[in-house]
Amino acid sequence: DAKTTQPPSMDCAEGRAANLPCNHSTISGNEYVYWYRQIHSQGPQYIIHGLKNNETNEMASLIITEDRKSSTLILPHATLRDTAVYYCIVTNQGGKLIFGQGTELSVKP
Amino acid sequence: GAVVSQHPSRVICKSGTSVKIECRSLDFQATTMFWYRQFPKQSLMLMATSNEGSKATYEQGVEKDKFLINHASLTLSTLTVTSAHPEDSSFYICSARTSGRSGANVLTFGAGSRLTVL
Repeated sequence: DAKTTQPPSMDCAEGRAANLPCNHSTISGNEYVYWYRQIHSQGPQYIIHGLKNNETNEMASLIITEDRKSSTLILPHATLRDTAVYYCIVTNQGGKLIFGQGTELSVKP
Repeated sequence: GAVVSQHPSRVICKSGTSVKIECRSLDFQATTMFWYRQFPKQSLMLMATSNEGSKATYEQGVEKDKFLINHASLTLSTLTVTSAHPEDSSFYICSARTSGRSGANVLTFGAGSRLTVL
């Protein structure tokens, strides 16, 4: 599975958009980009995933660059409850989800 | 949506005893479940893949005789920590693949079970 690189921490003001970057320069053609988050002392929560096209759901948007070597998760209007560790994972269908260190997002009032 | 229930949420046991943690998919069938453990301030570490009706597949470095996994039905997987020791104290989290969504790695996670071994 391709390795991902994320900043260890980020801050965001409440109500503003949170843009979380992820580098996955060794991604292969059949690998998807998945985003999960983990709020303190809880199980991780699925957010969104994509292959080539940008994706949007009720939680977030996922922007994947044309060369697929990086992506950005966008929380359009961050709230205090979005404070969590966000994990970007790249793997193929049927592959195992291997978690890296993620980005600790702090949403501040 | 899909729900994975994990029980117990917290357990304290004495060193040398065995502890069983249950993971249930409440409204869907899960042929594949995954068990993770997480130490404080660290990321999740995949322990094993649990397949219904067959033996679990363990990740390198995980002792299969210490962490017994049983996946006897399409809605239940259990993890038994045998002869637990203080170093086994951790947060154990299960997850299940939810079918029907594109991308087979959309997992639903349980809330986790915090094990403390005295």
